[in-house]
Amino acid sequence: KQEVTQIPAALSVPEGENLVLNCSFTDSAIYNLQWFRQDPGKGLTSLLLIQSSQREQTSGRLNASLDKSSGRSTLYIAASQPGDSATYLCAVNGVDSNYQLIWGAGTKLIIKP
Amino acid sequence: SAVISQKPSRDICQRGTSLTIQCQVDSQVTMMFWYRQQPGQSLTLIATANQGSEATYESGFVIDKFPISRPNLTFSTLTVSNMSPEDSSIYLCSVIDRETEAFFGQGTRLTVV
Repeated sequence: KQEVTQIPAALSVPEGENLVLNCSFTDSAIYNLQWFRQDPGKGLTSLLLIQSSQREQTSGRLNASLDKSSGRSTLYIAASQPGDSATYLCAVNGVDSNYQLIWGAGTKLIIKP
Repeated sequence: SAVISQKPSRDICQRGTSLTIQCQVDSQVTMMFWYRQQPGQSLTLIATANQGSEATYESGFVIDKFPISRPNLTFSTLTVSNMSPEDSSIYLCSVIDRETEAFFGQGTRLTVV
């Protein structure tokens, strides 16, 4: 059974720092892995989708990597800003899950001005 | 990509009443899901909304409590029936497009008093 873990659960850093959020999964048989952002009380915004055949994806200051063999993904945020404060969730679309996403518990990120 | 409009964005309801949440997608999608997110928790899948047939419910969720309609490939509703304070959550509609990327509506923040 696929399990997804996100570390750390919470992170507080000063504005301007580069930071890394981690996501690990137990079953490497996946279609893709997706990173989302959620602001308090709101829906989810898709940040990056990495297909199983890809190693990384980039969008602006965000870069996500995928190492399927080791069951790891990282989300790198460059030059963090207070507006980046949110909860970041990773989700895995597994081959055996009929397109149902398996979720990590999220990392709550606070960027201090 | 897919753009999802979810209504209402929030509501405060009396216990014992029902609320119907609507999800409209700007394109035809096969895979549509309803999630619940309780305060401080990650997402829990309620059901997969199947077009033209009964929804597929996850363990712990039943049709009498959470009836779902899916009359076509762009629209679905979730009803939360006979509400109690324990139903206070964010309810989220999600779709997966042809590229296997997941998209979410803005969420419905429900408070039951």
